[in-house]
Amino acid sequence: DAGVIQSPRHEVTEMGQEVTLRCKPISGHDYLFWYRQTMMRGLELLIYFNNNVPIDDSGMPEDRFSAKMPNASFSTLKIQPSEPRDSAVYFCASRGGPGNTIYFGEGSWLTVV
Amino acid sequence: AQKVTQAQTEISVVEKEDVTLDCVYETRDTTYYLFWYKQPPSGELVFLIRRNSFDEQNEISGRYSWNFQKSTSSFNFTITASQVVDSAVYFCALSGWEAAGNKLTFGGGTRVLVKP
Repeated sequence: DAGVIQSPRHEVTEMGQEVTLRCKPISGHDYLFWYRQTMMRGLELLIYFNNNVPIDDSGMPEDRFSAKMPNASFSTLKIQPSEPRDSAVYFCASRGGPGNTIYFGEGSWLTVV
Repeated sequence: AQKVTQAQTEISVVEKEDVTLDCVYETRDTTYYLFWYKQPPSGELVFLIRRNSFDEQNEISGRYSWNFQKSTSSFNFTITASQVVDSAVYFCALSGWEAAGNKLTFGGGTRVLVKP
């Protein structure tokens, strides 16, 4: 079975550029999460969706970050404009219902120079 | 608010030694889930185990075992006869039971280094 699929795996971009991270959740899962991992802050939840609807975006750091889920099989996390402090690993994860296990993708390693 | 504390930031052992990772959590929920994830050097997050708060039975899976004690709000993880491939960062995490508590709160992680 295919797991959570993220792209790109690695991205290096210049400050000020737009960055779009993509995620395909596990088929049939109705929850989708975006997490960010940094050395300073560890793993932190940015936003999560239930049935394609954003439920909690309180972790989104600022207006430069936006996330969408146009359908059950695709989500994007966009940073515009990007800054060096956005450098991190961004994980997408999905879940099959309340209380079910959350499965993570392999992460998108973002470096903003 | 939920909180997960992994007091050990790094543990170094020699192969075949046992290693225990501590996890202490705080939550106001009466029912909740606890998880352990492994992050090997390659970077992905690998699910290891999920426990329900009403099930305090300890669990063993091969060389891995988990000790859940609700009275002390702890969910400790032991690797028996460690191997070099066990070298990774291990995260303990907590989530609520109801729909509103779906998000995972992670501890800071414990880095395990197994030397040959």
